[in-house]
Amino acid sequence: NAGVMQNPRHLVRRRGQEARLRCSPMKGHSHVYWYRQLPEEGLKFMVYLQKENIIDESGMPKERFSAEFPKEGPSILRIQQVVRGDSAAYFCASSPALNEQFFGPGTRLTVL
Amino acid sequence: DAKTTQPNSMESNEEEPVHLPCNHSTISGTDYIHWYRQLPSQGPEYVIHGLTSNVNNRMASLAIAEDRKSSTLILHRATLRDAAVYYCILRGADSWGKLQFGAGTQVVVTP
Repeated sequence: NAGVMQNPRHLVRRRGQEARLRCSPMKGHSHVYWYRQLPEEGLKFMVYLQKENIIDESGMPKERFSAEFPKEGPSILRIQQVVRGDSAAYFCASSPALNEQFFGPGTRLTVL
Repeated sequence: DAKTTQPNSMESNEEEPVHLPCNHSTISGTDYIHWYRQLPSQGPEYVIHGLTSNVNNRMASLAIAEDRKSSTLILHRATLRDAAVYYCILRGADSWGKLQFGAGTQVVVTP
């Protein structure tokens, strides 16, 4: 059973561009979580999704950020009009239920 | 969610046990105690969790105080691969499963 997959592993964008981060959960996992780790800071929860539904987005910035987990395909975290402060490592985690979470290797976003 | 307090760092010699303390004096009756660790440049990794009783698995042991206001993660024989940041997290039944990470404890293992 393959682990959580995230791509790309590294993403470079210029200010004002869009960033799309993809997360494929482990097989059989219907719960997906996104976390962000800013440089020299801890991991912060962003959003929790189940198939086609956003359950908790209390950690998402109000503007420019959105997430989806469609019926088919990976979960997507989308950042519009990126700014330098968006540079961070973005981690996705999945779980089969509300228990332990399995994390992916992360996407490291650099905004120039 | 209730907060946890951990030491910033701990150092251990290889093949010796490591005891990582965590204080959670405001824990509620339905909060589970979870431990994750993050190796350098990797995503977090689940270690262990418990509610009231001590727990053991292949990675570590979790000792929970009788009043549940503190717990200790025990790595029985530290290896260089155990060098990581260890996070103690309380997860409530109504938290939708999200994890609230603190600063954690940086474990340094010396050969």
